Amino acid sequence: DAGVIQSPRHEVTEMGQEVTLRCKPISGHDYLFWYRQTMMRGLELLIYFNNNVPIDDSGMPEDRFSAKMPNASFSTLKIQPSEPRDSAVYFCASSLWVGNQPQHFGDGTRLSIL
Amino acid sequence: GQQLNQSPQSMFIQEGEDVSMNCTSSSIFNTWLWYKQDPGEGPVLLIALYKAGELTSNGRLTAQFGITRKDSFLNISASIPSDVGIYFCAGQSGTYKYIFGTGTRLKVLA
Repeated sequence: DAGVIQSPRHEVTEMGQEVTLRCKPISGHDYLFWYRQTMMRGLELLIYFNNNVPIDDSGMPEDRFSAKMPNASFSTLKIQPSEPRDSAVYFCASSLWVGNQPQHFGDGTRLSIL
Repeated sequence: GQQLNQSPQSMFIQEGEDVSMNCTSSSIFNTWLWYKQDPGEGPVLLIALYKAGELTSNGRLTAQFGITRKDSFLNISASIPSDVGIYFCAGQSGTYKYIFGTGTRLKVLA
């Protein structure tokens, strides 16, 4: 079975540009999570969706960040405008249902803002 | 955000040695997960624990859900070079969120 698929794997762009990260969750999973990983702060939950609806976006750093899930098989995380401090690895994860089901991660997008 | 305390932060071991690492929290958790992350990849689930005192194995890996529900342990027996990577614990207390540990970076010397 295909796992969580993220694209692009790497993104390098200049400060001020719009960045869009993409995620395809595991088929049949009801929940989708966006995380950011940095050396300083480790893995941070940014936002999660249940059945395509955003449930909690309290981890989103600021208004420059937005996420959408137009259907069960696709989600985007957008940063506009991007800043150097946004440089990090962004992971998408999905799970069957919340409760105690483990989350399955994609391979991440390594984002570098110059 | 909130994080679990993992120890050690990093460790070098000789191939063939056993490895132990742990994760502690000031909060009680209902579920503990252990993940491994290889360079350039996402975390991969190793073991899931759902009950206090539970001991679960996955090949050479064994993990335990602490009886106080505030800690968990991961042991790797007879380490091999491909065990190198970062090991993360994650705990959940009944809400949707998993809180992730700070990671233990393992390096195996052949």
